[in-house]
Amino acid sequence: EVQLVESGGGLVKPGGSLRLSCAASGFTFSDYNMNWVRQAPGKGLEWVSSISSTSRYIYYAESLKGRFTISRDNAKNSLNLQMNSLRAEDTAVYYCASRSGYYGDAFDIWGQGTMVTVSS
Amino acid sequence: QSVLTQPPSVSGAPGQRVTISCTGSSSNIGAGYDVHWYQQLPGTAPKLLIFGNTNRPSGVPDRFSGSKSGTSASLAITGLQAEDEADYYCQSYDNNLSVDWVFGGGTKLTVL
Repeated sequence: EVQLVESGGGLVKPGGSLRLSCAASGFTFSDYNMNWVRQAPGKGLEWVSSISSTSRYIYYAESLKGRFTISRDNAKNSLNLQMNSLRAEDTAVYYCASRSGYYGDAFDIWGQGTMVTVSS
Repeated sequence: QSVLTQPPSVSGAPGQRVTISCTGSSSNIGAGYDVHWYQQLPGTAPKLLIFGNTNRPSGVPDRFSGSKSGTSASLAITGLQAEDEADYYCQSYDNNLSVDWVFGGGTKLTVL
């Protein structure tokens, strides 16, 4: 079964750090571009970051540059998001999503999400 | 303020047809980038519904269809069913200033 499972969310104080992980299974992870997309409570979807299959190309939403770092380990079928200097407005469900290329550049596989709450 | 504009809500009775619009600009939809649509049922992760403007992944009923023209796109749902009640998001790519995958603000579909 094709699956993405996020972990690492939780409650963190403003200015703190958190590392999210996403475990992939059921497909050839190393062939897929991977992404993080977040959704603040009651709000819409917001693309956060993208990493190509070989990690050669990495992109971030302009508003997040310098605070978040995306990485992947193809040997372990895992995707990570290091989040530093967290702010209240970073509070959201963070989804891991793939772009396989089989559906154009659409986000075709989504995890169930992990909740990040930034609050004192 | 989302780069792609969707109506906050639409509604329809069972069996009816509804459409959801997605309006962009010359740096995204109007530049020729594909539009994709996602369905998010309450409390769940988004699911790819339409890709490449008009295409349905396997398993998506043909009641769902997409179209694109100029700087806009639309999602149509015919034969509305209670289980279609969800949030719907359009998504494209924007080349204004930086690389960005962009979403619409989402549309809440209520089945009356």
